[in-house]
Amino acid sequence: DQQVKQNSPSLSVQEGRISILNCDYTNSMFDYFLWYKKYPAEGPTFLISISSIKDKNEDGRFTVFLNKSAKHLSLHIVPSQPGDSAVYFCAASSQTGANNLFFGTGTRLTVIP
Amino acid sequence: DTGVSQDPRHKITKRGQNVTFRCDPISEHNRLYWYRQTLGQGPEFLTYFQNEAQLEKSRLLSDRFSAERPKGSFSTLEIQRTEQGDSAMYLCASSLRWTEAFFGQGTRLTVV
Repeated sequence: DQQVKQNSPSLSVQEGRISILNCDYTNSMFDYFLWYKKYPAEGPTFLISISSIKDKNEDGRFTVFLNKSAKHLSLHIVPSQPGDSAVYFCAASSQTGANNLFFGTGTRLTVIP
Repeated sequence: DTGVSQDPRHKITKRGQNVTFRCDPISEHNRLYWYRQTLGQGPEFLTYFQNEAQLEKSRLLSDRFSAERPKGSFSTLEIQRTEQGDSAMYLCASSLRWTEAFFGQGTRLTVV
């Protein structure tokens, strides 16, 4: 039962343009959401997070948007750079639930120079 | 380096052998997690420690798997009688709060 879904396995974007990565979740108990970036042969690196009490969180070129009613979040990268090419994982957790993160299957972003 | 450290980075073993992996978390982090990642999937939760207490175990953690964190610092994950299906990247993460976990570089296990 995949509680966090990333339906786009891959995305290609031109350098300088906006990258939008999407994530959907099914468990309404989730109240904290994270994005991780992963390069080959390395562990995931924390990128940005958002609490369910907010609908937007921004950190430099990265912005995460949360739509609780739609159970949907997205990561915007503006402007996209070739170094952003990696696999991006969406993750969700619940303060009152199990002490673990539920991950999506990832979206491979390729930024074309 | 003050990040999460895992050893070894790669392990090739024959089916039926036992393997043990080590994780050294960020020093002030009391929470430690083990995850497993297979090709094309996101990391899947295996187990969670708060200090030395193992508080959560996934049903993915069969009887052949055991994890310890004896002094609330480093942790070990042992797999007994390895099977080819155990081939995966084993990831360790640590955190101070229930929010964001910081991952190590992982141990890639190949069972031949």
